[in-house]
Amino acid sequence: GAGVSQSPSNKVTEKGKDVELRCDPISGHTALYWYRQSLGQGLEFLIYFQGNSAPDKSGLPSDRFSAERTGGSVSTLTIQRTQQEDSAVYLCASSRWAPSDRGPPHEQYFGPGTRLTVT
Amino acid sequence: AQSVAQPEDQVNVAEGNPLTVKCTYSVSGNPYLFWYVQYPNRGLQFLLKYITGDNLVKGSYGFEAEFNKSQTSFHLKKPSALVSDSALYFCAQAGYIPTFGRGTSLIVHP
Repeated sequence: GAGVSQSPSNKVTEKGKDVELRCDPISGHTALYWYRQSLGQGLEFLIYFQGNSAPDKSGLPSDRFSAERTGGSVSTLTIQRTQQEDSAVYLCASSRWAPSDRGPPHEQYFGPGTRLTVT
Repeated sequence: AQSVAQPEDQVNVAEGNPLTVKCTYSVSGNPYLFWYVQYPNRGLQFLLKYITGDNLVKGSYGFEAEFNKSQTSFHLKKPSALVSDSALYFCAQAGYIPTFGRGTSLIVHP
């Protein structure tokens, strides 16, 4: 079956421009996460969506970052007025499990990521 | 606060030798631990998980991990390494917000 897809795979933008990154999760997955991966820094949590509940935005590094998830499926991460320090790989993951569910957690399924380069 | 630590940035091993990638955790309550692998220009792929039960967990590609409660560790192991195992490995802890280690680069030399 189809996995998690992300687009674009690569994005080069000039400092100050806005960018939109898209994530298509696995159909039926309740939870959707965005992470940022910088070289040598591991995964940095950005935002979490569960169903129709309000997202957990606690990981967003600044108010230039925002995300939405339409219809409980596709998600878009928007970075306004990009800065060079925003350059990283942005990963999306989905899961059948959400913390409010009963039972043990399931694994996350990751997309291939979007490599963002801000020049 | 929940956390996982991977003390080694890089592990080098010769093909055919056993490999170990280390992970320690800190959690209040039940630890739910995962290992993921990331190949170049790819997203993370699930390898195995510990939820409860047997301390030795078997996963994909011949990997296994040993949960040790007294040492708060969850080391990833494989009896005989392959060059194709060379990748970035992440230990993770499930929770409201999953937490990931910084990753360990495994290099298997021919």
